[in-house]
Amino acid sequence: DQQVKQNSPSLSVQEGRISILNCDYTNSMFDYFLWYKKYPAEGPTFLISISSIKDKNEDGRFTVFLNKSAKHLSLHIVPSQPGDSAVYFCAASEAGANSKLTFGKGITLSVRP
Amino acid sequence: DGGITQSPKYLFRKEGQNVTLSCEQNLNHDAMYWYRQDPGQGLRLIYYSQIVNDFQKGDIAEGYSVSREKKESFPLTVTSAQKNPTAFYLCASSSPTGELSGYTFGSGTRLTVV
Repeated sequence: DQQVKQNSPSLSVQEGRISILNCDYTNSMFDYFLWYKKYPAEGPTFLISISSIKDKNEDGRFTVFLNKSAKHLSLHIVPSQPGDSAVYFCAASEAGANSKLTFGKGITLSVRP
Repeated sequence: DGGITQSPKYLFRKEGQNVTLSCEQNLNHDAMYWYRQDPGQGLRLIYYSQIVNDFQKGDIAEGYSVSREKKESFPLTVTSAQKNPTAFYLCASSSPTGELSGYTFGSGTRLTVV
């Protein structure tokens, strides 16, 4: 059973507009949530994270929102840039930020110039 | 610079052969992980190790083996028992004292069975 779900496999947005990437989870024990960005043939790189005691975390153009009651989080990228085109993975862990991570299947974001 | 090195970047294996993927880190991280990426499947955990000389099976450990004799090294062996080994393999490490940033990943090894 998939505990972290990214139901939309792809998203295409115009440069300068907002990109909203969604993620749902089923395990109520998850305490930490992270977003990773991945280019082809490279390893994922950490983007932004949030703990379950918060509902929002912002870092520059990237904001993550967490709705614990709905078991839903989203990544907002504003404004979107062509260099943001990549696969974005949502991940979650139970016991702490550096414990075993469970990943979603990823969303491919394409930002059109 | 500290980081994780995976080698080789590309690897070809004949059916029935074992092959070992290398993963070395100089971040002084205690925990190390092996993931496999397939198209449309995301990242699936193969094995992980929280400390030297100890490791645990992940979600898809069948057909794989690992060792953790040194803190810096966590090699993965893909055995002939692995039915569909062609994939992109990612190694990662983490520190329990680190920030809320999860893992540091290597650049991956693309394994192809020919």
